Amino acid sequence: EVQLVESGGGLVKPGGTLRLSCAASGLPFTLAWMSWVRQAPGKGLEWVGRIKSKGSGGTTDYAAPVEGRFIISRDDSKKAIFLQMNSLETEDSAVYFCAWVARVPSVMSVWGQGTLVTVSS
Amino acid sequence: QSVLTQPPSASGTPGQRVTISCSGSSSNIGSNSVDWYQQFPGTAPKLLISSDDERPSGVPDRFSGSKSGTSASLAISGLQSEDESDYYCAAWDASLNDYVFGTGTKVTVL
Repeated sequence: EVQLVESGGGLVKPGGTLRLSCAASGLPFTLAWMSWVRQAPGKGLEWVGRIKSKGSGGTTDYAAPVEGRFIISRDDSKKAIFLQMNSLETEDSAVYFCAWVARVPSVMSVWGQGTLVTVSS
Repeated sequence: QSVLTQPPSASGTPGQRVTISCSGSSSNIGSNSVDWYQQFPGTAPKLLISSDDERPSGVPDRFSGSKSGTSASLAISGLQSEDESDYYCAAWDASLNDYVFGTGTKVTVL
């Protein structure tokens, strides 16, 4: 069974930083493309970005609102991806989900349970 | 601001057919496949339909997807009480280089 478990959420002040983790199991992680998606309270889904497998170049793509502030990375030895969030704004408050892109380039077949990030002074 | 537009709500009685529309443009739905996700309150989204009309294993066949031009639709035939949920369409947008979600539709079973 494929499982994704996010961690690292919490309360942070505007301008601060936070690093989220997503631990994966049950999938061929070295081949996996992975994504982050967020959902502000009471709002819809918003794609944050993705990281391709190393075999596909290991490159990243980001949504415009987070480009230049957020960085997605991966550690294949730990079967994990990370979301480094810098210069956080109140608008970044959301539940952050990681997801396995089982059908590239973008179909997210398995999702984690999410981790809540609150940006507030 | 989402680039894919869905009606905010849809409803039907048990057994009825409900259809949800998703309107986009040539840079997203018009040139890339559409996926649909189902989300119950407080839980993670679940893939319901991929590549316009493909159901992943385990998804009931009362759910079906279609696409024409720059619009797509999700149909639920034989509506059941457990289908009461939020539904989102999504597609890759070549102009934005972004995976864009629809505004979401809340389905209520009357």
